[in-house]
Amino acid sequence: DAGITQSPRHKVTETGTPVTLRCHQTENHRYMYWYRQDPGHGLRLIHYSYGVKDTDKGEVSDGYSVSRSKTEDFLLTLESATSSQTSVYFCAISKGQGYNYGYTFGSGTRLTVV
Amino acid sequence: EDKVVQSPLSLVVHEGDTVTLNCSYEVTNFRSLLWYKQEKKAPTFLFMLTSSGIEKKSGRLSSILDKKELFSILNITATQTGDSAIYLCAGDTNTNAGKSTFGDGTTLTVKP
Repeated sequence: DAGITQSPRHKVTETGTPVTLRCHQTENHRYMYWYRQDPGHGLRLIHYSYGVKDTDKGEVSDGYSVSRSKTEDFLLTLESATSSQTSVYFCAISKGQGYNYGYTFGSGTRLTVV
Repeated sequence: EDKVVQSPLSLVVHEGDTVTLNCSYEVTNFRSLLWYKQEKKAPTFLFMLTSSGIEKKSGRLSSILDKKELFSILNITATQTGDSAIYLCAGDTNTNAGKSTFGDGTTLTVKP
């Protein structure tokens, strides 16, 4: 939808293993975001990017890192997965140049850490 | 810390009813209030509100912002089963980063 895809769609992983989620966009937008969604917590910002190699932390960044080596790709890495990171992860793009006209979200990645 | 609170958390109505969803916010350097609808998958954008008292409307959905009292409402008239979803509101800040703080959402169930 609107040129943003996430992979994988589902993943089950073991505690302590590293995991990388990928977000790919085809529209050359500068701003990209990673959110997680948990029951009772809405969407919470993990990290965001405002350009190639330019990233910053959100409100729940502990245990996560990100990289953006190309405009189209924004990677989220769980350095050592824990059960508390079981969640649905959404990538989003913003069409404004730092002005949010409304996100377009990817379809999400459901991650289960066992 | 920025905060967005939605009420009620859940709501069950019958087709044809009118519903009002509430969103209050405390957001530093507030710029806009956004509403999203989430069905089974990802949220989809509904409205962006930046000015008090100006209603945004799309079909049976409408929304308004009160920047003095720091709240917004989303109205849905003549509800249909297809309106069943989680409705999320989010406060955006004037930080040139487009970051949003989301509320926990209101789950609306419309019964036939």
